[in-house]
Amino acid sequence: DTGVSQDPRHKITKRGQNVTFRCDPISEHNRLYWYRQTLGQGPEFLTYFQNEAQLEKSRLLSDRFSAERPKGSFSTLEIQRTEQGDSAMYLCASSLSTFLSGYTFGSGTRLTVV
Amino acid sequence: RKEVEQDPGPFNVPEGATVAFNCTYSNSASQSFFWYRQDCRKEPKLLMSVYSSGNEDGRFTAQLNRASQYISLLIRDSKLSDSATYLCVVNIDNYGQNFVFGPGTRLSVLP
Repeated sequence: DTGVSQDPRHKITKRGQNVTFRCDPISEHNRLYWYRQTLGQGPEFLTYFQNEAQLEKSRLLSDRFSAERPKGSFSTLEIQRTEQGDSAMYLCASSLSTFLSGYTFGSGTRLTVV
Repeated sequence: RKEVEQDPGPFNVPEGATVAFNCTYSNSASQSFFWYRQDCRKEPKLLMSVYSSGNEDGRFTAQLNRASQYISLLIRDSKLSDSATYLCVVNIDNYGQNFVFGPGTRLSVLP
């Protein structure tokens, strides 16, 4: 598999529950990004990693959100105490370490908080 | 002013038409620009990078105007399969590490 994989594809959870999503980037890509997208909007940047280091976090990423990338391979995004406003598509992307490279996105995880 | 702005559309055009979208950006130091295509309920996919000198890929032409801080995408001879949302992507820092997506422009090509 040469693409970016995300798991699960869909997640329905009750408000207040914790959820965790996983992203497996393209193996030779050392940058990994998390974005969130709601209907009718473009993807919004959440955070990114270069190898295992989390280099930037958006102010959108409240303290209920945490992301990790142990060993610089796959990444997880956890949302604690989910709220209805967290319902969105969570997209993971990876790229090479050059700003001339575009991203390759995974298919996303669609979260619905009920 | 928003970092990246696009006309959300929709642009409804007949098959075979030529259509153009613009995208404006606020950071004059931005160095990297891309157009992505996103089909309904799918992930964005890279359509093309935008080079300073302008570039063409088949029916698609991308151009950059640094003075006016906008990029454009021209689609010639529109096909039904071109119907999608076109997202403009711009890096907003000087290190090319933080990319911002525009809200997208929706295109519907009609038979």
